[in-house]
Amino acid sequence: KQEVTQIPAALSVPEGENLVLNCSFTDSAIYNLQWFRQDPGKGLTSLLLIQSSQREQTSGRLNASLDKSSGRSTLYIAASQPGDSATYLCAVKLMIYNQGGKLIFGQGTELSVKP
Amino acid sequence: EAGVAQSPRYKIIEKRQSVAFWCNPISGHATLYWYQQILGQGPKLLIQFQNNGVVDDSQLPKDRFSAERLKGVDSTLKIQPAKLEDSAVYLCASSLEAGAHYGYTFGSGTRLTVV
Repeated sequence: KQEVTQIPAALSVPEGENLVLNCSFTDSAIYNLQWFRQDPGKGLTSLLLIQSSQREQTSGRLNASLDKSSGRSTLYIAASQPGDSATYLCAVKLMIYNQGGKLIFGQGTELSVKP
Repeated sequence: EAGVAQSPRYKIIEKRQSVAFWCNPISGHATLYWYQQILGQGPKLLIQFQNNGVVDDSQLPKDRFSAERLKGVDSTLKIQPAKLEDSAVYLCASSLEAGAHYGYTFGSGTRLTVV
């Protein structure tokens, strides 16, 4: 059974700091991994999608890496800003025979960036 | 492109009442998902549709939850009767296909409070 774990559960940093969020998964047979952002009371916004054949993806100040063999992904946020405060969720996509894709989520890391 | 639309945004009901949520996926997206997100946890898949057929409903509490996808487009999720533990955010997501390489787009969610 695939399990996705995110560490830490919560993180508070001063503005301008670079930070890393961690995601680990137990079964390396994934098709892709997606990082999402969730603001309080809102839905999920996709940040980065890394296919299983890729090692990393970048978008602006965000960089996500994927190491399938070790079952790990990291989300790096450079020069953090108060507007980055949100919950960050990682999810791995499994392919289930006759069922297509299935997204399994971690529990999220709640990030607070202090001015 | 327009995103995934969900309504209502908020709903407060008493236990044992019934409630329905609506989702309109991105045009052309064949795969539609309903997720339940309890406060402090990652989203959990309730049901997955491929066009208008159910692909996976293994985690749907079928004694009280039901869902349908009319003509392979819009979908409704119903709870009858509701319990206190159903209080959560219900998220709808769609994907072009269920295949390996496609990411998910989420709606803003419906926050349900059962009192």
